[in-house]
Amino acid sequence: AQKVTQAQTEISVVEKEDVTLDCVYETRDTTYYLFWYKQPPSGELVFLIRRNSFDEQNEISGRYSWNFQKSTSSFNFTITASQVVDSAVYFCALSEAGYSTLTFGKGTMLLVSP
Amino acid sequence: EAGVAQSPRYKIIEKRQSVAFWCNPISGHATLYWYQQILGQGPKLLIQFQNNGVVDDSQLPKDRFSAERLKGVDSTLKIQPAKLEDSAVYLCASSLWDNYGYTFGSGTRLTVV
Repeated sequence: AQKVTQAQTEISVVEKEDVTLDCVYETRDTTYYLFWYKQPPSGELVFLIRRNSFDEQNEISGRYSWNFQKSTSSFNFTITASQVVDSAVYFCALSEAGYSTLTFGKGTMLLVSP
Repeated sequence: EAGVAQSPRYKIIEKRQSVAFWCNPISGHATLYWYQQILGQGPKLLIQFQNNGVVDDSQLPKDRFSAERLKGVDSTLKIQPAKLEDSAVYLCASSLWDNYGYTFGSGTRLTVV
């Protein structure tokens, strides 16, 4: 069975600090996909990244970066120089190949204060 | 391109009443999903359609929940009768093949009193 664990329930930082959100996953499949979504107070889930299990290259998109390590089954997300607009709940999710259902973690609430 | 459309945005009903939610996916997306998100938790799949056929409804409480996707486009999720524990946000999502382009709608927040 697949499982996603986001151990950090809530993180509070001051603007311009860097912050890393942890995600640990469990799956028996060798082919799978990992996702990160942002859920601001308005409620919609905003897609951030989709990564397949064969691509372990780290990715950077502006202030966002992702560190994928199969050896530790982790897919961590770092926000550099955080801003107040980054305040949201962030979800990590897993999908096994052949199944497009997403299994979500419980989410990490990020609060960025001015 | 237009996103996944859902309505209504909010709904308050009394327990034992019925309610229906509507979803229009992104054009061309063959796969449509309904997820339930209870406060403080991640979304959980209720049902998945591929075109107008059901792929996975193993977590749908079939004694009270039903869903259909006519003509492989729009979808409706119904709850009848509602219970207090059905209070949640109901999210619709759609995707292309192999979960590429997975996009969620804004959701319907249901409160059962």
